[in-house]
Amino acid sequence: DAGITQSPRYKITETGRQVTLMCHQTWSHSYMFWYRQDLGHGLRLIYYSAAADITDKGEVPDGYVVSRSKTENFPLTLESATRSQTSVYFCASTPSDLGQPQHFGDGTRLSIL
Amino acid sequence: TQLLEQSPQFLSIQEGENLTVYCNSSSVFSSLQWYRQEPGEGPVLLVTVVTGGEVKKLKRLTFQFGDARKDSSLHITAAQPGDTGLYLCAGARTGKLIFGQGTTLQVKP
Repeated sequence: DAGITQSPRYKITETGRQVTLMCHQTWSHSYMFWYRQDLGHGLRLIYYSAAADITDKGEVPDGYVVSRSKTENFPLTLESATRSQTSVYFCASTPSDLGQPQHFGDGTRLSIL
Repeated sequence: TQLLEQSPQFLSIQEGENLTVYCNSSSVFSSLQWYRQEPGEGPVLLVTVVTGGEVKKLKRLTFQFGDARKDSSLHITAAQPGDTGLYLCAGARTGKLIFGQGTTLQVKP
């Protein structure tokens, strides 16, 4: 099915572990984004990518790593998870950087114990 | 510091009432988008406003972009329980979206 899918939907892990959140889109959108959503903060941008092999930091990048070897995939890795990274993570995509609407996945709820 | 301030953060009203949600900033945006998010799902676009002073209507929802393109409002007329959800405004700037904190709306039957 066309769209943007995130996996897993739910993940529980322990502090210090590495965890990777996956994001896949079928529209061939150039731009992809990772956000975290926490109560009282709305959506905060972690990293974004303008095209394959081009990534850039957002507002809250510390502790996260991204890659974009293929246009359709944009994985987010927490190299050594901390409790403060417990959050709901959303991936989004859009065709261009002209302020067009972003299309969001359904999120990954990540709990770090 | 929150670049986009949304108010109120929480709103609980009875079915049939009117309400307005505000989205304010000291910065200018090239456009402003409003999203609605339901539990367990990602935000879904409601509308984009681009021109200062622009007003757009979506059934019972009226969106307005401020003349200076720094603020916006969402007005809902005769709210229904189906309007319950999290409403997010987002300003577009240099290719990225900056989100407000969101307004959680509960409409009781």
